[in-house]
Order: sequence, then structure tokens, then C-alpha cells
Amino acid sequence: DTEVTQTPKHLVMGMTNKKSLKCEQHMGHRAMYWYKQKAKKPPELMFVYSYEKLSINESVPSRFSPECPNSSLLNLHLHALQPEDSALYLCASSQGDRVINYGYTFGSGTRLTVV
Amino acid sequence: AQKVTQAQTEISVVEKEDVTLDCVYETRDTTYYLFWYKQPPSGELVFLIRRNSFDEQNEISGRYSWNFQKSTSSFNFTITASQVVDSAVYFCALNTPNFGNEKLTFGTGTRLTIIP
Repeated sequence: DTEVTQTPKHLVMGMTNKKSLKCEQHMGHRAMYWYKQKAKKPPELMFVYSYEKLSINESVPSRFSPECPNSSLLNLHLHALQPEDSALYLCASSQGDRVINYGYTFGSGTRLTVV
Repeated sequence: AQKVTQAQTEISVVEKEDVTLDCVYETRDTTYYLFWYKQPPSGELVFLIRRNSFDEQNEISGRYSWNFQKSTSSFNFTITASQVVDSAVYFCALNTPNFGNEKLTFGTGTRLTIIP
């Protein structure tokens, strides 16, 4: 299995809703990432988990709450979002060490619309 | 700080023409990795190539080829005999290896349209 699976593919939520995005990989990768991509822009890093511990938080607002329950699963909990949070949310995973980077495998993303 | 510049915002070519996508990068690190990703309308980022800073050999994979020149800090991507399926946004990216603590820096992307 060489894929990163993201669910749901599309999500429409109101500003008072609570929802979660899910990301799963079974490649044995020990680092997982959340990226946010606005239309016609490159992906922007949000969070990095390494060995199930949060290693990078790019000053993301607290209405986004990541969770890594195990080495194969990454969640992004959403609460009280704003319309400007509408974007494509991409999950990625990677394997490597401090001197080698074997590249990143990206999921197909969740297209989120906040109304 | 690291930076990736893709000066070509949009390119359109007629099918079967060759096209080169430019990528210029900036980094103070001596060890780094460069990537190219393809993003079709479906949204998934498809990995095309990874190249480390110590390997300046050019690479060819079918109709795709990459030209890495450290002297000019460039990592250009050429598609030969383009096809409609090549239409997508292409991102060049850079990072320094520090597993689990690294940030992948993307260029702004080049939207390639192949006209049938």
C-alpha cells in the first residue's frame, strides 16, 4: 500500500460546527504532515508529527486541532472555523532520518468549504 | 531562509511541443533536497522527482527530464512531446533534511496547459 488516504474528499460546514478530517497511511512512515492550500497558491505547512509527537506547529489558530492517535493515523479537528479557512487540506507522510529525505507522499486532499 | 522561485505563472503550448518549466532556489545549506510535484485538477500532489544537492547528474524518465545546475541554483524540468494529460500545476520544492522537523518550501507553481 503506497497511498495516503484522506476522508472526506469534500466537506461543507457551518461556522458553529465541529468536524474532523482524517488521514491514514500504511507505509510505515513515521512523519505525517498537514498542509493548507488556498486556490492558486502553493501548499502551506500547518503541522508536523514525528513519531506521533507534534514537532512543528506553524502558528496555526487554535480552531485547528491536530491529533495523531497512532503511527498510521492523523486527524485534524475543526471548530468554529471562518469562511477564509475554506481551502484544500492536504495530508502527507514521509520516511527518513536526519541526513536523508526519501520524499513525501501526499493524499488527494479534503476540499473544505466553510459557510 | 529558503526560497523557491518559479517565474512562469502560466504556460500554454500546443500538443507535441517541448516545454521547460524553470525553478530557481535559494538556500544557505550545503545539504538539501529538491523536488518536483504535479498537481492535476483533482488536487493530489503527485511526486515526480527528488534530487539531493550532491547529485548533479541530469535525469531522464520517459518524456520527462530534469537539469540540475548548482552554479545557477536552478532545477529545471522539461517535458518532451507534450500531451494533454500533462496539463496541471507543477510545483518545485526545497527542503533541508531533518526528519520530522523539516519544512518543505514550495515555489508558487506553474500552470501548464497543453492545447490539443
